[in-house]
Order: sequence, then structure tokens, then C-alpha cells
Amino acid sequence: GDSVTQMEGPVTLSEEAFLTINCTYTATGYPSLFWYVQYPGEGLQLLLKATKADDKGSNKGFEATYRKETTSFHLEKGSVQVSDSAVYFCALSDETSYDKVIFGPGTSLSVIP
Amino acid sequence: NAGVTQTPKFQVLKTGQSMTLQCAQDMNHEYMSWYRQDPGMGLRLIHYSVGAGITDQGEVPNGYNVSRSTTEDFPLRLLSAAPSQTSVYFCASSYSKGGTYEQYFGPGTRLTVT
Repeated sequence: GDSVTQMEGPVTLSEEAFLTINCTYTATGYPSLFWYVQYPGEGLQLLLKATKADDKGSNKGFEATYRKETTSFHLEKGSVQVSDSAVYFCALSDETSYDKVIFGPGTSLSVIP
Repeated sequence: NAGVTQTPKFQVLKTGQSMTLQCAQDMNHEYMSWYRQDPGMGLRLIHYSVGAGITDQGEVPNGYNVSRSTTEDFPLRLLSAAPSQTSVYFCASSYSKGGTYEQYFGPGTRLTVT
């Protein structure tokens, strides 16, 4: 079945460092890919998405490119801030069915001043 | 718009007690889901609904019931609480845009079963 794999955390970075969180997926169809962010004590919120191969999603300085050839959707940011400290979830949704929304286990990011 | 709202925010139950977690959305979304979040396991789908009057089981449905009598509301019932149901529960709503399902999440309910 479909699945999402993320790099294990926690990740600790200094402010202004470069961030990469790896995400790879397995899917039989043509899924849409998402990054969600969860700030402490809150629900998840959509950070960015890409719906087809080679699409680049971007928001708040974060970017991710849908790479079909490597089945990857890595999250990047050039210069992280303390306010980016959160848990990041990679997810896919299969276009065939609503219940086929698969989340990765999440990667915790801490940014220190 | 309030988006997706959940009540209560925190709850402590004794083993064997029952309760209902409330979820409401004001975005007229057709799809709604309940997830549980446990450390290191991401989100797991409990039940979902593709419209009023239609519900189905997700990955971990045992011990939970749902109903969807209106588009707005999607309550989750714990029939007889067990310690294994200690978790954070999230309700989400969604709509379909070209086969893409983007989820909107509530703030969560933190449940402890003793």
C-alpha cells in the first residue's frame, strides 16, 4: 500500500542555518504531496503542496519539489528562525479515495538562537 | 470563519467510561475525518465521512463510533474507554479539488484514560 517515510528527528539547528527534511513516498497512482506543520499545542496546518511531478510548492520561505523519478518531496528552507520550531509532517493523498491520505511519522525541529 | 472546532480541549476518563468528542466545521466541506496522534506514529485514521449520512472505518476504528447527521458536525464516541485510547485526537475536514484532498485540522483533544 501507499506509504510515507521521513527522516528521523529530532533535528536541532542554529538560527539562520539551512534546513532539509527528507521525505520519500510509495504510491501506486499519482498522489498529491503535502507538508503540514504542527506548532506546540496546536493542530496541523498546511504548509505547502504539490499536485503533480516537477511542481514546486512554497510558503513562508519553505520549498519542496515533487520528484517522481526519486519519489521524493524534501522540505527545504534557506535560513530558519526560532519561530520555525515545530513538528513537520510529510503526507500524500491518493486521488482515488479520500481515506487514502497517508501521513509520515513527523520530524521535530528545534531552532536555537 | 471559525474553521474546524473541537471540544473539549482536555479530558480525563476512567476505564470503562464513555464520552463524545465534538467536532464542527463551518466551511461546508463534504469530507471529515478523525485521527489519533501517538508519539512516533504520525496520524492514524480512525473514521471518516464523505458526506452527511455516510461514514466508514479507517485504519484503527475499534472502540470508536461516529455519525454524520449534518454536513457541519462529526462527533466521535468512545464506547468504553481503555488506557490504550490515551492519545491526542484531531478532527479534520476537506474538500476535493481535482482529486487533491487538502486537510483542515482542529486544535485537538488531549484524552487521558486512567
